[in-house]
Amino acid sequence: AQRVTQPEKLLSVFKGAPVELKCNYSYSGSPELFWYVQYSRQRLQLLLRHISRESIKGFTADLNKGETSFHLKKPFAQEEDSAMYYCALRGQAAGNKLTFGGGTRVLVKP
Amino acid sequence: KAGVTQTPRYLIKTRGQQVTLSCSPISGHRSVSWYQQTPGQGLQFLFEYFSETQRNKGNFPGRFSGRQFSNSRSEMNVSTLELGDSALYLCASSLAGLAVETQYFGPGTRLLVL
Repeated sequence: AQRVTQPEKLLSVFKGAPVELKCNYSYSGSPELFWYVQYSRQRLQLLLRHISRESIKGFTADLNKGETSFHLKKPFAQEEDSAMYYCALRGQAAGNKLTFGGGTRVLVKP
Repeated sequence: KAGVTQTPRYLIKTRGQQVTLSCSPISGHRSVSWYQQTPGQGLQFLFEYFSETQRNKGNFPGRFSGRQFSNSRSEMNVSTLELGDSALYLCASSLAGLAVETQYFGPGTRLLVL
């Protein structure tokens, strides 16, 4: 069975402060991990994926297979980062089944 | 390119009725996935269709079904509605459902069961 856990439902930080969203997963094989973001009144959209190892909007995430984690980090939060963030896992089976975590709401205060 | 569209956007039904939701993927996309989003259970995978065939299925009762047409448009049907089926239903499309592809989500259909 595959499972994704986001322990924090709400993260509140001040503008310019670092932010880290935690994501832990459970999967017996080699998963693919993603972070999705949903801004207010917008659609759910892909933020980044571990395969790409890229930085999007200043966010980075490193897959740690030993700790089964895929935490999302940004050194200096901006007000426009306020949104709902979902960590998701895709298993090795063919197709597009994503298992999502419960989500973390990030509020960046001015 | 137009994004993923879902119709209707809002729906109110009563217990025992059935409902059909529609999803039109991005042009050229052949994989369509459906998710249910509720405050209690979060985002849960329902099923995925690729080239008119169901390729993956989540852990939902048989009351939840779907299909995909030759133009890749997809419908999902929920029969004998229960109060707990009230949710936001999202669909997502991608080219072929491969790992390197991005899934694009629609705005969702909000279903309220009374």
